[in-house]
Amino acid sequence: DSGVTQTPKHLITATGQRVTLRCSPRSGDLSVYWYQQSLDQGLQFLIQYYNGEERAKGNILERFSAQQFPDLHSELNLSSLELGDSALYFCASSAWTGGPGELFFGEGSRLTVL
Amino acid sequence: AQKITQTQPGMFVQEKEAVTLDCTYDTSDPSYGLFWYKQPSSGEMIFLIYQGSYDQQNATEGRYSLNFQKARKSANLVISASQLGDSAMYFCAMRAQGAQKLVFGQGTRLTINP
Repeated sequence: DSGVTQTPKHLITATGQRVTLRCSPRSGDLSVYWYQQSLDQGLQFLIQYYNGEERAKGNILERFSAQQFPDLHSELNLSSLELGDSALYFCASSAWTGGPGELFFGEGSRLTVL
Repeated sequence: AQKITQTQPGMFVQEKEAVTLDCTYDTSDPSYGLFWYKQPSSGEMIFLIYQGSYDQQNATEGRYSLNFQKARKSANLVISASQLGDSAMYFCAMRAQGAQKLVFGQGTRLTINP
């Protein structure tokens, strides 16, 4: 158990819909990262927050947004969903930002868009 | 830019044999960290081992060791005495000092045969 909690574990929805994925980092970790894992793209970095502030942005679509709340949990919002958004979405946390320390991953939220 | 290359899409090994999973990396940063993660069929990402670029000795964690050859920019994972439970996807990743995100390779699917 990494200590990172993601909900929901599975989600099935239709094209055009909007979903919210939630992440609670390990106790004490200030950094939260979101990654998308699809079959053809591997693990792609989406966005990172540190103590409530956005710190880095990767290949995140404009239809996607995220935020980190004062209690450090984070939400990833996916809107106007397309079939290609079907993927495993990971949240990870670490104590630092920019340091060499490892990221601890949650179990992922598997999104299926029909 | 950072890049990770895993050239072995799949590997098949007999139980109890040692296995080496290849990883090469590219970065211009002098300070960086290298990581290996395991992803079993259930989907979660499990941190295995970490090597810092200035570490003098190769990292070891139980049956896992990292064969770090800095001049060749390689960070191969060695699993000794493989077990059936080692069957999984294995990802090599790196993060440069000061960089926010962890960059992943495409992964190697390891299958341990009884």
